[in-house]
Amino acid sequence: NAGVMQNPRHLVRRRGQEARLRCSPMKGHSHVYWYRQLPEEGLKFMVYLQKENIIDESGMPKERFSAEFPKEGPSILRIQQVVRGDSAAYFCASSPTRVEQYFGPGTRLTVT
Amino acid sequence: QKEVEQNSGPLSVPEGAIASLNCTYSDRGSQSFFWYRQYSGKSPELIMSIYSNGDKEDGRFTAQLNKASQYVSLLIRDSQPSDSATYLCAVNPISSGSARQLTFGSGTQLTVLP
Repeated sequence: NAGVMQNPRHLVRRRGQEARLRCSPMKGHSHVYWYRQLPEEGLKFMVYLQKENIIDESGMPKERFSAEFPKEGPSILRIQQVVRGDSAAYFCASSPTRVEQYFGPGTRLTVT
Repeated sequence: QKEVEQNSGPLSVPEGAIASLNCTYSDRGSQSFFWYRQYSGKSPELIMSIYSNGDKEDGRFTAQLNKASQYVSLLIRDSQPSDSATYLCAVNPISSGSARQLTFGSGTQLTVLP
């Protein structure tokens, strides 16, 4: 039973480029959450999605960040025109019931 | 005031001892409480969930919840060096509405000394 899958595990982008992070939830899980962990800081909620719907994006920066969870395929977190401050670990979590959340291995984004 | 507060540590205990990790939260209506373990450079791993007042035991781990005091704790009995990690307290705040986003504390770094 595969866990939450994220790719890539490591991503290096130059300032101004786009970053695309992918998340496949655990089988049977229809709730997906994205969190960001900045160096030496705690986990911060970004967005909560179900298939084809954004349920809560209150933690997403208003500009440059977007997320989707299409009917087919993984959830995507997209960061346009990355800046050095976007360097962080981005974690996806999935849940079958909107309560317990299980985390993927994360994507470490480095902006040079 | 932070929504979820934890002592950052580091907390050091000798092997075989009981490690006690504490967490307080500000949203009185919170309903769900979780403890995650995060090894350095890895992702958070869910180790305990608790929803009602009292104790919940799972192997060497015991979670304790006191909603009146807005306090949740994690006890690790017979601590092992492999328990050395950062422990994150997470709360589902009622203010999040229908969404079940979690609010995390900053974590307590635990070191178990051989």
